[in-house]
Amino acid sequence: EAGVVQSPRYKIIEKKQPVAFWCNPISGHNTLYWYRQNLGQGPELLIRYENEEAVDDSQLPKDRFSAERLKGVDSTLKIQPAELGDSAVYLCASSPTGGLGYTFGSGTRLTVV
Amino acid sequence: GIQVEQSPPDLILQEGANSTLRCNFSDSVNNLQWFHQNPWGQLINLFYIPSGTKQNGRLSATTVATERYSLLYISSSQTTDSGVYFCAFPHNSGNTPLVFGKGTRLSVIA
Repeated sequence: EAGVVQSPRYKIIEKKQPVAFWCNPISGHNTLYWYRQNLGQGPELLIRYENEEAVDDSQLPKDRFSAERLKGVDSTLKIQPAELGDSAVYLCASSPTGGLGYTFGSGTRLTVV
Repeated sequence: GIQVEQSPPDLILQEGANSTLRCNFSDSVNNLQWFHQNPWGQLINLFYIPSGTKQNGRLSATTVATERYSLLYISSSQTTDSGVYFCAFPHNSGNTPLVFGKGTRLSVIA
């Protein structure tokens, strides 16, 4: 099994530019999460999907961040426009409904210059 | 919200040494988990340990829920054990989403 697949692995952009991250979860996992991990910190939840429905997006900065999970499988996280403070690792994870069996992707390391 | 504290924040070990990492939490938590993040950033679930003790090879974990702490033991450490160890628990009832501690950064040197 491929695990949770994320792309790109690294991204460097100038501030005010848009950027998008893609995640393909483990087949059959209904729950998908996007986390952000700042340097020296643990991951923090941005948004959680149950199938195609966003059920927890209270920590997502909605003025510049958006996410979608069409058809309840792949997901895309977008930032527009990016700010310097958005530099971080963006992690995608998936699990069966209920949360046991968490699996993380390798993450996308974003650098905003 | 529930506060979580991990100690020590940093640890350097000689290969072959043993270590104990600690996770304290301020209130009752369900379904505590331990993760290892390798130097390339990959997070791997080590243990799902709401209570009691579990062992997996050179690693074992103990959670004493009534006293609000969990311990991760690493025996005969190897350089591949290097990375950051996080404890995490669900924010709400159930198992999702997870709240992470700040981690313990472990460096094992040959």
